[in-house]
Amino acid sequence: DAGVIQSPRHEVTEMGQEVTLRCKPISGHDYLFWYRQTMMRGLELLIYFNNNVPIDDSGMPEDRFSAKMPNASFSTLKIQPSEPRDSAVYFCASSLSSEGWQLFFGSGTQLSVL
Amino acid sequence: QKEVEQNSGPLSVPEGAIASLNCTYSDRGSQSFFWYRQYSGKSPELIMSIYSNGDKEDGRFTAQLNKASQYVSLLIRDSQPSDSATYLCAVNRETGFQKLVFGTGTRLLVSP
Repeated sequence: DAGVIQSPRHEVTEMGQEVTLRCKPISGHDYLFWYRQTMMRGLELLIYFNNNVPIDDSGMPEDRFSAKMPNASFSTLKIQPSEPRDSAVYFCASSLSSEGWQLFFGSGTQLSVL
Repeated sequence: QKEVEQNSGPLSVPEGAIASLNCTYSDRGSQSFFWYRQYSGKSPELIMSIYSNGDKEDGRFTAQLNKASQYVSLLIRDSQPSDSATYLCAVNRETGFQKLVFGTGTRLLVSP
């Protein structure tokens, strides 16, 4: 398996623009997570899905952020409108509940909002 | 108080020495504990998990858990320059759900 695949690797955009981050989890995994990492706050859980259903979105910072998982092999995290404080690395991760809950992270998307 | 606290470092050790990384957590009901390694510019990867008090060894790595003191540590024996990375402590507060809370990490530098 190719692992968790995220795109794009880098995104530079201007304040106010819409940003869409994409994730393909490992085939067969039943949990998908979106994290954000900054120097100051570390890794923060934004939202996670179980079998494509959002379970907990309490970490989503505000209404500008939304996430969807239309099927087992694809998820998106959207920021609209984007702000400079959204600049961070966004990681997607997946796990299989029957095998010890190990998180497998994608390579991340480095987002810069100017 | 942060939920999971780690010294940001850097922790500098010479090659061959033992590196000791520490983590404290605030929620006494926490169930599972993990150490992730993150190389610069890369994603975190799991290196150790521990669920009960005591020590757990895996190769050069030993995880130690003391729930009474709310303390978890990672020892790296015979440290190598390739161990230079940021080590993230993660705690799962909910039984049955992988809702991990991460510390901000400790940067380890192993000098040749």
